[in-house]
Amino acid sequence: AQSVTQLGSHVSVSEGALVLLRCNYSSSVPPYLFWYVQYPNQGLQLLLKYTSAATLVKGINDFEAEFKKSETSFHLTKPSAHMSDAAEYFCAVTTQIGASKIIFGSGTRLSIRP
Amino acid sequence: DADVTQTPRNRITKTGKRIMLECSQTKGHDRMYWYRQDPGLGLRLIYYSFDVKDINKGEISDGYSVSRQAQAKFSLSLESAIPNQTALYFCATQGSGELFFGEGSRLTVL
Repeated sequence: AQSVTQLGSHVSVSEGALVLLRCNYSSSVPPYLFWYVQYPNQGLQLLLKYTSAATLVKGINDFEAEFKKSETSFHLTKPSAHMSDAAEYFCAVTTQIGASKIIFGSGTRLSIRP
Repeated sequence: DADVTQTPRNRITKTGKRIMLECSQTKGHDRMYWYRQDPGLGLRLIYYSFDVKDINKGEISDGYSVSRQAQAKFSLSLESAIPNQTALYFCATQGSGELFFGEGSRLTVL
């Protein structure tokens, strides 16, 4: 069975500071991992995905995530937060690309302080 | 225009009423999904469809039904709405492993 745990339902950082959103997964087979972002009153959109190629994955808007098998983690980072990054972020896991069963984490709301 | 369009965007209804949420897409994808979002619970899969003749239950299908009228259209029905079905509902399509979401339908059941 697969699962995803996002540590911290709410993270607040200052504009210009490092953003770190944590995601740990559980999977009995090699996972495929995703980060989605949900801006206010919008649907989710893909930030980045890990598909077993490079362990460091770069996404849109300078976000990146590193797959660490030993730590079963896929944390999302951004070097310098911008006010427009305020949103909810979801980590998700599946067993194969195109699989119907995609398990989402409970989400982390990111707030940016001026 | 959005690639995945949901109607209505907001709906308030009463317990026992039948409600239909509609979804249409211009992505040309065969796979379509309905998710439910509740605060602190993330997204949970209600139903999914791999093509017009292939419809499958997700993890929380009780109390819901779906219809895939065409490749581009996938509707979700609540036959007799109850208050704990108050939630934000998302339709999505899938292509190349990525999910493409509509903007959501917020449903309130009084």
